Amino acid sequence: GAVVSQHPSRVICKSGTSVKIECRSLDFQATTMFWYRQFPKQSLMLMATSNEGSKATYEQGVEKDKFLINHASLTLSTLTVTSAHPEDSSFYICSARARTPGELFFGEGSRLTVL
Amino acid sequence: GENVEQHPSTLSVQEGDSAVIKCTYSDSASNYFPWYKQELGKRPQLIIDIRSNVGEKKDQRIAVTLNKTAKHFSLHITETQPEDSAVYFCAASDVNTGFQKLVFGTGTRLLVSP
Repeated sequence: GAVVSQHPSRVICKSGTSVKIECRSLDFQATTMFWYRQFPKQSLMLMATSNEGSKATYEQGVEKDKFLINHASLTLSTLTVTSAHPEDSSFYICSARARTPGELFFGEGSRLTVL
Repeated sequence: GENVEQHPSTLSVQEGDSAVIKCTYSDSASNYFPWYKQELGKRPQLIIDIRSNVGEKKDQRIAVTLNKTAKHFSLHITETQPEDSAVYFCAASDVNTGFQKLVFGTGTRLLVSP
């Protein structure tokens, strides 16, 4: 299957700082990537759809000014959590679709802890 | 938008038994239904999927059935093994429109006891 890589896998930061998470498709080009958030023992909630060369599409209730998404190339999307607070602590996972319609491949996830 | 419900939330079986997880979806336009397995702290892994043009698909010990009329689909695992223990998520999307967003169910924690 296709490979999606996410970095960093873990990050601890102080409240008020910004954190950037990278998502790369390693062996395919992804015009669309998705960012999910997962709280402990809960499901994956779609935050936004990242489109190469255009603005991201955010789900209802997700603050676009707080979660900045940049999809600058066909293999890289970044999520920046700005002015992070303890309630932003979560597992953030990106995903991308390869050639087969619908089939998504996930990155390893990034566990963010805001102190 | 699409809404996916999943049951049960937890499922405990003995090794060798079968396990069944059920999902329902709301959007009749959905036509792609994958199942993911997620181990603690790791990424979801696709284990099987089904598209709306078929009613059943099987891959070794894993099978998925789809009832489009009732808008529900199920995951069947036979001869369960302890390594099958994980959280399983169903999902649904429409691959013919828009960004093909996947909407996930709430997850089922499967525990297989030796």
